[in-house]
Amino acid sequence: NAGVMQNPRHLVRRRGQEARLRCSPMKGHSHVYWYRQLPEEGLKFMVYLQKENIIDESGMPKERFSAEFPKEGPSILRIQQVVRGDSAANFCPSQWGENQPQHFGDGTRLSIL
Amino acid sequence: GQQLNQSPQSMFIQEGEDVSMNCTSSSIFNTWLWYKQEPGEGPVLLIALYKAGELTSNGRLTAQFGITRKDSFLNISASIPSDVGIYFCAGRNTGNQFYFGTGTSLTVIP
Repeated sequence: NAGVMQNPRHLVRRRGQEARLRCSPMKGHSHVYWYRQLPEEGLKFMVYLQKENIIDESGMPKERFSAEFPKEGPSILRIQQVVRGDSAANFCPSQWGENQPQHFGDGTRLSIL
Repeated sequence: GQQLNQSPQSMFIQEGEDVSMNCTSSSIFNTWLWYKQEPGEGPVLLIALYKAGELTSNGRLTAQFGITRKDSFLNISASIPSDVGIYFCAGRNTGNQFYFGTGTSLTVIP
């Protein structure tokens, strides 16, 4: 009965490098969201995906950020050429279907040196 | 993106006291959710509400879905030290979009 699994739990990158964050949703869940949380702040929506489709990416920065949720394998959030301001906790709650709650994992804490 | 108005922003209470927090929105939601987040962890779902007027309990926690569908409240009775954390509300609209409140930080003084 595993929950949402995110890895790595902590990721350290230098400015200009790429960061790849992986998210395996709960078993049977086909909806995945990505949120970013800055210290002492709330959750900021980035993108909503269903298998192989991006449903809503209105919260995702237009440059450097991309997300995918392939037919097989985890959802990936990719941040290219990271900057200090990208330091944040990143969460990818999953959802079994519409009208169901989101369930969170423990997130990936991204630190940019 | 839209964020809900959640209040209070923080609370410092004595162990044993009751707690009340609420969320308001300018938009109508179909679902209201309440989460608790502890340091270094992800939010954990406490209560989900699906109908206007619905009142649901989970142990010492009680939450209500406002009649107007634009607000919700969470009550915690007889608080204990392990209630410490940040509580978030979230609303889901017809487009299956979720919006989160800014959080209420709860400190319980033994």
